[in-house]
Amino acid sequence: AAGVIQSPRHLIKEKRETATLKCYPIPRHDTVYWYQQGPGQDPQFLISFYEKMQSDKGSIPDRFSAQQFSDYHSELNMSSLELGDSALYFCASSSQGEKLFFGSGTQLSVL
Amino acid sequence: KNEVEQSPQNLTAQEGEFITINCSYSVGISALHWLQQHPGGGIVSLFMLSSGKKKHGRLIATINIQEKHSSLHITASHPRDSAVYICAVGGGADGLTFGKGTHLIIQP
Repeated sequence: AAGVIQSPRHLIKEKRETATLKCYPIPRHDTVYWYQQGPGQDPQFLISFYEKMQSDKGSIPDRFSAQQFSDYHSELNMSSLELGDSALYFCASSSQGEKLFFGSGTQLSVL
Repeated sequence: KNEVEQSPQNLTAQEGEFITINCSYSVGISALHWLQQHPGGGIVSLFMLSSGKKKHGRLIATINIQEKHSSLHITASHPRDSAVYICAVGGGADGLTFGKGTHLIIQP
């Protein structure tokens, strides 16, 4: 069965650069969530989309933006990267508020 | 903001033991999730609960809505159960609030 696909798996950037993370939810899932998990930390909610519209925002910095496209894939854009942005970024999807399915995450390292 | 407390933070047990991990939250919720995270980071959703009890294989999850408390039980534990188990509350269009996780090690 198809799962949540995230790309890239690993990304190395330098300070002040820009990064774009992609998430492809499970087909027919209507909600996409983005989470950030710093080293040794619990995941923190960043932002969610329901039917391609932003539905909720968590602790997402102003330097980050996200959108969901007509094919339901989502992209998290991160600008002016800082060392503290180094983290594992998860995407998850669900259908009508039911069980969540997580992607494998993108490990971002900012040097 | 919902406060999610998990206990214990760390648990080491012998293979075959019955394991219980607890989760308490401060604000009424629509759903509670139990997640498993293995070294390397991948997260797997084990259960989503809004009431009562669910069972899947050797895993059992219960929730008491009135007491704002949930438990995850593992019967006949095995070394491959070693992982971080995370309780998360919320759902729908809102993001989840995660507990800090319970680091479980099952020794052979």
